[in-house]
Amino acid sequence: AQSVTQPDIHITVSEGASLELRCNYSYGATPYLFWYVQSPGQGLQLLLKYFSGDTLVQGIKGFEAEFKRSQSSFNLRKPSVHWSDAAEYFCAVGGMNTGFQKLVFGTGTRLLVSP
Amino acid sequence: DAGITQSPRYKITETGRQVTLMCHQTWSHSYMFWYRQDLGHGLRLIYYSAAADITDKGEVPDGYVVSRSKTENFPLTLESATRSQTSVYFCASSEREQYFGPGTRLTVT
Repeated sequence: AQSVTQPDIHITVSEGASLELRCNYSYGATPYLFWYVQSPGQGLQLLLKYFSGDTLVQGIKGFEAEFKRSQSSFNLRKPSVHWSDAAEYFCAVGGMNTGFQKLVFGTGTRLLVSP
Repeated sequence: DAGITQSPRYKITETGRQVTLMCHQTWSHSYMFWYRQDLGHGLRLIYYSAAADITDKGEVPDGYVVSRSKTENFPLTLESATRSQTSVYFCASSEREQYFGPGTRLTVT
């Protein structure tokens, strides 16, 4: 079965420090991979996506993610975190096994930014 | 404005009552989805639709009914609300990547 694991429930990062949020997936075919961000009381906003091609993808707000097929990972990174990045982050996987459009989401990682 | 909207944003209802959550998108996306979000569970798919008049169950469909007579609308009905259906409900639409509405916070008392 398809699944997404985000092993960190909470992460605290100092403002200006670098960030890496982990995402591991289980998927029997070529995956489509996504990162979404959710601010309190809001819907989910797409940060970036990977469908094919270059395994390092750039997104909005200075985020990037790298697809590593050998490790079944799609970790999200940002070189310098801003206080406004405090939010919950969700990794999701989709593709042929789930009819392309359906996504399986991880349980999320809550990012706290300390001054 | 173009986008995806949900109504109401907040709803309190009593056990056993029927309640309908509305979702409207202006992009003419083929696919639409309903999720519920609960602490510790992330987002779970309730129902989805590939086009008007085509719907299918997701991971947690029990107690919910959907319809899609028009491409732009995808209402979700709780036929007889239960306390376990207290949650935040998100609608999304998609052609490739999913775009989410702002959510409806539903409380069943």
